[in-house]
Amino acid sequence: QSALTQPPSASGSPGQSVTISCTGTSSDVGGYNYVSWYQQHPGKAPKLMIYEVTKRPSGVPDRFSGSKSDNTASLTVSGLQAEDEADYYCSSYVGTNNYVIFGGGTKLTVL
Amino acid sequence: EVQLVESGGGLVQPGGSLRLSCAASGATFSSYWMSWVRQAPGKGLEWVANIKQDGSEKYYVDSVKGRFTISRDNAKNSLYLQMNSLRGEDTAVYYCARGYTGMLYWGQGTLVTVSS
Repeated sequence: QSALTQPPSASGSPGQSVTISCTGTSSDVGGYNYVSWYQQHPGKAPKLMIYEVTKRPSGVPDRFSGSKSDNTASLTVSGLQAEDEADYYCSSYVGTNNYVIFGGGTKLTVL
Repeated sequence: EVQLVESGGGLVQPGGSLRLSCAASGATFSSYWMSWVRQAPGKGLEWVANIKQDGSEKYYVDSVKGRFTISRDNAKNSLYLQMNSLRGEDTAVYYCARGYTGMLYWGQGTLVTVSS
């Protein structure tokens, strides 16, 4: 099973919006509404930011939003803040054998 | 507050074995699927395995099938990963996490280094 495709880097200035894409196939991203996004700061464990494509866990700012179109999911961070600088990973459920796959990660830089 | 605490990592020679543990507290452990996810140094996240609430279903990434075994003890609120025939490419920080389609809680990770 191949990893989901994410751009290696993204950037934006404070207050701006940035969108990170996550491209898979009809067997994963396109086939199920089980796309999640994780934020990871250096040396820390990942943190769930979005699950089931659009849902935010309690405590995650509404500046973070998720969407999906066909085989591509997206994470949008609005009103960029310095603390948003981190690595972001998408993941998707793959029905075959209850598999889970991650994207390669996107390093978000706040300029 | 849910807490997951991994242990058991360390340095092991290629071909060796290691058993990781994950102690859970703060919620009904037996109500949730659990997963192991790893991250090689400087690399991205990779899902390794998951296990159903009662342990009746277990799934693995292809690269560890036949070498790793996930298990759980609900009476002890604990998750395990038995790793055999370890290879250099298994070197990583191993995280336990609750769920698999949206892993809300993660441990701090335990480092496994496979090297001679």
